[in-house]
Amino acid sequence: DAGVTQSPTHLIKTRGQQVTLRCSPKSGHDTVSWYQQALGQGPQFIFQYYEEEERQRGNFPDRFSGHQFPNYSSELNVNALLLGDSALYLCASSLRTKETQYFGPGTRLLVL
Amino acid sequence: AQSVTQLDSQVPVFEEAPVELRCNYSSSVSVYLFWYVQYPNQGLQLLLKYLSGSTLVKGINGFEAEFNKSQTSFHLRKPSVHISDTAEYFCAVTRNDYKLSFGAGTTVTVRA
Repeated sequence: DAGVTQSPTHLIKTRGQQVTLRCSPKSGHDTVSWYQQALGQGPQFIFQYYEEEERQRGNFPDRFSGHQFPNYSSELNVNALLLGDSALYLCASSLRTKETQYFGPGTRLLVL
Repeated sequence: AQSVTQLDSQVPVFEEAPVELRCNYSSSVSVYLFWYVQYPNQGLQLLLKYLSGSTLVKGINGFEAEFNKSQTSFHLRKPSVHISDTAEYFCAVTRNDYKLSFGAGTTVTVRA
């Protein structure tokens, strides 16, 4: 049973660029949530997707956007990158009706 | 909105000694509680969860936690730690919106 997968594992970008991160949920899961984990901190909720729509959003600017595809996989897009966007980006999957989320290995983004 | 406080940022402990990681939360409604572990350069792994029922919950790798509603706490314990338990531990809480709020984390360092 495949768990949550994310790609790429690492990414280096420069300020002002745009980035797309990808996530495939655990088999059978229909909901994907994205979190940002800055160095030395706990993860912060970005947004959650279900039925291909953004259902909830945390305190992140509009530069952060996402998408969910019919196969439940998801993308996180960040425009106009800032140095402060450097972090580990975690994807978590779950069932819409269940409270437990399972995390992927993350994508580490470095903005120079 | 709920918040999570992990009372210890770092916990050094000797191998085979017991360990307790403290977590307090604030919420005006019923919540679900989780402990996740993060090994270096990895994503989050679910250790255990409290949804309802018995206040003592057992998880993987010999960990257990006790939910105390009156003290709004969910402390994590292990009676005998191993070197391999060296990691970052996160307490998290969610309501029925299934949006996780995390504490800042506790770094556990197990020494021989």
